[in-house]
Amino acid sequence: QKEVEQNSGPLSVPEGAIASLNCTYSDRGSQSFFWYRQYSGKSPELIMSIYSNGDKEDGRFTAQLNKASQYVSLLIRDSQPSDSATYLCAVNPGPDTGFQKLVFGTGTRLLVSP
Amino acid sequence: EAQVTQNPRYLITVTGKKLTVTCSQNMNHEYMSWYRQDPGLGLRQIYYSMNVEVTDKGDVPEGYKVSRKEKRNFPLILESPSPNQTSLYFCASRPYFGSPVNEQFFGPGTRLTVL
Repeated sequence: QKEVEQNSGPLSVPEGAIASLNCTYSDRGSQSFFWYRQYSGKSPELIMSIYSNGDKEDGRFTAQLNKASQYVSLLIRDSQPSDSATYLCAVNPGPDTGFQKLVFGTGTRLLVSP
Repeated sequence: EAQVTQNPRYLITVTGKKLTVTCSQNMNHEYMSWYRQDPGLGLRQIYYSMNVEVTDKGDVPEGYKVSRKEKRNFPLILESPSPNQTSLYFCASRPYFGSPVNEQFFGPGTRLTVL
């Protein structure tokens, strides 16, 4: 079983819609959760981080964390064609590994059509 | 401008021909690491370094070497590249070992093809 799982997509949404990206993780002791956006051939860019259960909003982005279900999601409201990218979920597995360890999912490709 | 640079950005080589991918950061960061990214496998850590002369293996170190003789540089060495090392490589740096993820900078990536 992969440590961090994401649906590879592509997830296709029309412009202006809400895109919902999902991620599950296997290590119940995981502490920190991150979403990266990666345009094709470019480096990952951190867009959201979340550390406690519930929602965290930043502009059009909302991260949601449910530790009991080992589930983290990213909602993108009012999706724009410029949001078309691959979204990587990353998890810090737990206190034993310190902050040096990040486990990445394989990413979900999002396509926003005009 | 704070940045991580990698060279070369693109490289096509042949099996067995030694190569080095350079990584340099101008932020005086102690912690640096190398990742490879492959379709269906995501980003995986190859090696990391907590400071000068301190390096350790990540999740997929086989076939790679690193060195950290200076704080700013962290080269990735492939002594005898093989086709399964064809990948997109990223260098990353953070201020220090325990610094938070949002202080991590990624380099622009190096696309390596081994024929």
